[in-house]
Amino acid sequence: DVKVTQSSRYLVKRTGEKVFLECVQDMDHENMFWYRQDPGLGLRLIYFSYDVKMKEKGDIPEGYSVSREKKERFSLILESASTNQTSMYLCASSEVASGRRGEQFFGPGTRLTVL
Amino acid sequence: AQKVTQAQTEISVVEKEDVTLDCVYETRDTTYYLFWYKQPPSGELVFLIRRNSFDEQNEISGRYSWNFQKSTSSFNFTITASQVVDSAVYFCALSEVTSGNTPLVFGKGTRLSVIA
Repeated sequence: DVKVTQSSRYLVKRTGEKVFLECVQDMDHENMFWYRQDPGLGLRLIYFSYDVKMKEKGDIPEGYSVSREKKERFSLILESASTNQTSMYLCASSEVASGRRGEQFFGPGTRLTVL
Repeated sequence: AQKVTQAQTEISVVEKEDVTLDCVYETRDTTYYLFWYKQPPSGELVFLIRRNSFDEQNEISGRYSWNFQKSTSSFNFTITASQVVDSAVYFCALSEVTSGNTPLVFGKGTRLSVIA
């Protein structure tokens, strides 16, 4: 079974802090994604990566950056956390192979609170 | 641009009732995938189904069934004889198929509450 893990389930940070959210997948998937989930807004894509050192902006990249130095790891960085970044953050991965193309596997999520 | 609309924000049913979750999508692609995911209270999204746009056959898996109608751009999800464990947020999603590395476009989700 595919396993996507995220470094923390709950995180509390202060405004202005630099925040790192880590995501690791163990199935050699090419693609990795970061979403944030807010009530009434569903899942919104922040960034995604289809290869090591490659990244693409999603719908709401402002205030975030990402890093993918190794295939299995995709990090989301909040350079200077703000209260409006309080949210649930979900990481996902998927493979390119046609048999399961598009099917994304999700981590358990990190609920981030910025005070 | 692609778009997925789940008009039902919240649904509440009594156990053993049937319930249908609606999903309407928009895309200019001729080939695409449609998905349903379940997010139980624990928070982790669980994949339920993927449907290729070429395949309009309806699918049944136990108490779950999916009705894909290309003519109305809909991909509805029915739970028969609902159970309390079906309580969750359900997301419909869409992606193009050509490259294999494009993100999913999600609807805003429908929160289903099944009352014992």
